Amino acid sequence: GDSVTQMEGPVTLSEEAFLTINCTYTATGYPSLFWYVQYPGEGLQLLLKATKADDKGSNKGFEATYRKETTSFHLEKGSVQVSDSAVYFCALSDPIKAAGNKLTFGGGTRVLVKP
Amino acid sequence: DAMVIQNPRYQVTQFGKPVTLSCSQTLNHNVMYWYQQKSSQAPKLLFHYYDKDFNNEADTPDNFQSRRPNTSFCFLDIRSPGLGDAAMYLCATSRDGTGALNTEAFFGQGTRLTVV
Repeated sequence: GDSVTQMEGPVTLSEEAFLTINCTYTATGYPSLFWYVQYPGEGLQLLLKATKADDKGSNKGFEATYRKETTSFHLEKGSVQVSDSAVYFCALSDPIKAAGNKLTFGGGTRVLVKP
Repeated sequence: DAMVIQNPRYQVTQFGKPVTLSCSQTLNHNVMYWYQQKSSQAPKLLFHYYDKDFNNEADTPDNFQSRRPNTSFCFLDIRSPGLGDAAMYLCATSRDGTGALNTEAFFGQGTRLTVV
């Protein structure tokens, strides 16, 4: 079945540091890939997405590139801020599923940015 | 501007007392989902509606039920909440659920359920 593996946290870093969160996937079809962010006590917000190989999703300084050859979708940001402290979830949806655009999530990575 | 609205944000219920969580959407999406998220874990899909068609996940306990009276509203009913059902419950919607039209899911802010 489909699965998503992402690096375990917590990841603690200083403001303006470079952030990378690794994400790899397995899927039977040709999935779309997503990064969601969850701030404390809130629901999930879509951060960025990519729907085909070599697509780069970007938003709020975050980027991730869909790498079919390595089945990866690593999240990067060049200079983090305290406000980026959150839990980040990598997810996929598989188009061959019969019904429902179901998301398969990774386990989440907690990021803590210190001033 | 809120697109997926969950009420209430916080719900306290007694052990064994039925409780209903609600979700509404202004996006006119045909798919609605309910996820359960326990502390520091990934969301777990309980079930989803594709229009009026209900799709239950194989491992969702019978204690959890859902209703979708119309496109805009979806309810999660927990018939006899146990302590293990304390969690954040997330409602989500998406535009289409099949084929290559993979669009992102839009989530509500969640309802945090406490069972006492």
